[in-house]
Amino acid sequence: GQNIDQPTEMTATEGAIVQINCTYQTSGFNGLFWYQQHAGEAPTFLSYNVLDGLEEKGRFSSFLSRSKGYSYLLLKELQMKDSASYLCAVRDTTDSWGKLQFGAGTQVVVTP
Amino acid sequence: GAVVSQHPSWVICKSGTSVKIECRSLDFQATTMFWYRQFPKQSLMLMATSNEGSKATYEQGVEKDKFLINHASLTLSTLTVTSAHPEDSSFYICSAADRVLGGYTFGSGTRLTVV
Repeated sequence: GQNIDQPTEMTATEGAIVQINCTYQTSGFNGLFWYQQHAGEAPTFLSYNVLDGLEEKGRFSSFLSRSKGYSYLLLKELQMKDSASYLCAVRDTTDSWGKLQFGAGTQVVVTP
Repeated sequence: GAVVSQHPSWVICKSGTSVKIECRSLDFQATTMFWYRQFPKQSLMLMATSNEGSKATYEQGVEKDKFLINHASLTLSTLTVTSAHPEDSSFYICSAADRVLGGYTFGSGTRLTVV
């Protein structure tokens, strides 16, 4: 079956850096997505990786190693508003617009 | 950017009644829509994939006769929870694939409470 694992919760202080790891074992691979979700709201898109390497977008960066089935999301210069759940999702089909399988999410708590 | 409008944002219904949730893509054509369910402090669980003009594909364990999905146009998909029961209380979210701009856009979600 499909398996997407990420830590349940992480705590960090304002201004610090936090790295959220995601490992996956899926029948196929066609891209990995990171989303941010605040409680009671819809997820918002953060990043997308389909090739190995690092993608940087402002304070957020995401890394992918396909051979290791591993990705991480790096949040720099943490702000209080970054307190949210971060979801790792894998598109496991050859269809470029195929369905996403989500991990359970990592709750990030930013403290003053 | 791409916007998906989802209504209602919350609904309370009596056990045994049906509830319809709508998702509209406002500025793009959504050939494919995905419907998710999310229980508190859990992740999004894919319920079904719908393609415009064809029958939805349901994930294993999801009752297609209970969760009716209609995707009759390129901008509208609906999920009807039939004969709702308290265990159906959850957060339902739709997502549309934007084949022009790329990516997936989520609706704002519907909080369903069955009493």
